[in-house]
Amino acid sequence: NAGVTQTPKFRILKIGQSMTLQCAQDMNHNYMYWYRQDPGMGLKLIYYSVGAGITDKGEVPNGYNVSRSTTEDFPLRLELAAPSQTSVYFCASSFDLTSSKVEGSYNEQFFGPGTRLTVL
Amino acid sequence: AQKITQTQPGMFVQEKEAVTLDCTYDTSDPSYGLFWYKQPSSGEMIFLIYQGSYDQQNATEGRYSLNFQKARKSANLVISASQLGDSAMYFCAMREGRHSSYKLIFGSGTRLLVRP
Repeated sequence: NAGVTQTPKFRILKIGQSMTLQCAQDMNHNYMYWYRQDPGMGLKLIYYSVGAGITDKGEVPNGYNVSRSTTEDFPLRLELAAPSQTSVYFCASSFDLTSSKVEGSYNEQFFGPGTRLTVL
Repeated sequence: AQKITQTQPGMFVQEKEAVTLDCTYDTSDPSYGLFWYKQPSSGEMIFLIYQGSYDQQNATEGRYSLNFQKARKSANLVISASQLGDSAMYFCAMREGRHSSYKLIFGSGTRLLVRP
């Protein structure tokens, strides 16, 4: 299993440009999440999804959009990049606690390696 | 509102000694879970240990243990016999309830430096 994968690893954008951060998981997790981590800070939730076709806002959703057409993929879209969106972006996934597969699991979130985005 | 507080921005510990990283939380939900993650300089987030609000015993995972004091709303991470590879950022996080989509609220982190 590759776990949670993210592309690209690094990206520099100009103000006003758009891009999509890709996230995929091969663990058949229902739940997926996008976080951002600003320098010296903890992670803040941007958007999350409880299954294909279902997404919802987190703590800091402004300036972002998401979609979840499959269980495996959860892309994050930045439409008009701003310097305030300079951050490290983490995608994560986890089981549904009611799933029989999670016996013995703490339902911890599994994180991707992150995408470092700079907006200039 | 739910909140996680880590009051130690940075900590030093001598190699082979034990260290405690503080975490306090605030929630009105009787059912919650507390997690600790490690973030080395390479940037990935590594799950360390979990404590459920109804767990009767403190969680342990190898050299990691969680000092869970429910009445004080604290969930401190104890690392025994520190190693140089323990130098990293450590984040405490909380998940409320069993029907909240399992979202995590993170603290601001503690940077631990292990001295040889």
